[in-house]
Amino acid sequence: DGGITQSPKYLFRKEGQNVTLSCEQNLNHDAMYWYRQDPGQGLRLIYYSQIVNDFQKGDIAEGYSVSREKKESFPLTVTSAQKNPTAFYLCASSVHRDYTGELFFGEGSRLTVL
Amino acid sequence: GEDVEQSLFLSVREGDSSVINCTYTDSSSTYLYWYKQEPGAGLQLLTYIFSNMDMKQDQRLTVLLNKKDKHLSLRIADTQTGDSAIYFCAERRAAGNKLTFGGGTRVLVKP
Repeated sequence: DGGITQSPKYLFRKEGQNVTLSCEQNLNHDAMYWYRQDPGQGLRLIYYSQIVNDFQKGDIAEGYSVSREKKESFPLTVTSAQKNPTAFYLCASSVHRDYTGELFFGEGSRLTVL
Repeated sequence: GEDVEQSLFLSVREGDSSVINCTYTDSSSTYLYWYKQEPGAGLQLLTYIFSNMDMKQDQRLTVLLNKKDKHLSLRIADTQTGDSAIYFCAERRAAGNKLTFGGGTRVLVKP
């Protein structure tokens, strides 16, 4: 079945450690996105990529990094510079220039910093 | 303040109608969306409406758009316990392919 796979579902990290969250899609979508979700605050855009080898900062990119070496993969690294990394992270994809702009989401990764 | 605002919580009895409200600020929004999130999961698109429409109906769901007041609502008819979830509205602006989400409304359906 086509979809977006995020891993791991749960992750624990000690302060000062970098951690990488995986996001893979087999929908042949051009665009991919990373959102952060905190209780009562909705989704905030971290980074997005509209094409391979290109990506742009979203609203809260500080302390995060991404790469887009393959169309189907868009990993997110949460670095030690991110001051409050405990959150639920959601990856999404969309057909680039799709007139409806529909986003397809993965099941999320919950990161807890100990 | 946020660009897209929603109330935090809604409680409704099973079988009644639910109405979830959303306000947005950008008049250039082209599409407006309603997403549903069940516990511990990602978001799933429920429906969307183009900005030149006033209403869209899809089975139990009715979306109303008041562009003058920048107000969007989602009505769920005959609400079921499976409708308990967080509902997010989102807007897509004319420039770019990004969506801006509201804070989400948690809907609790009581038997």
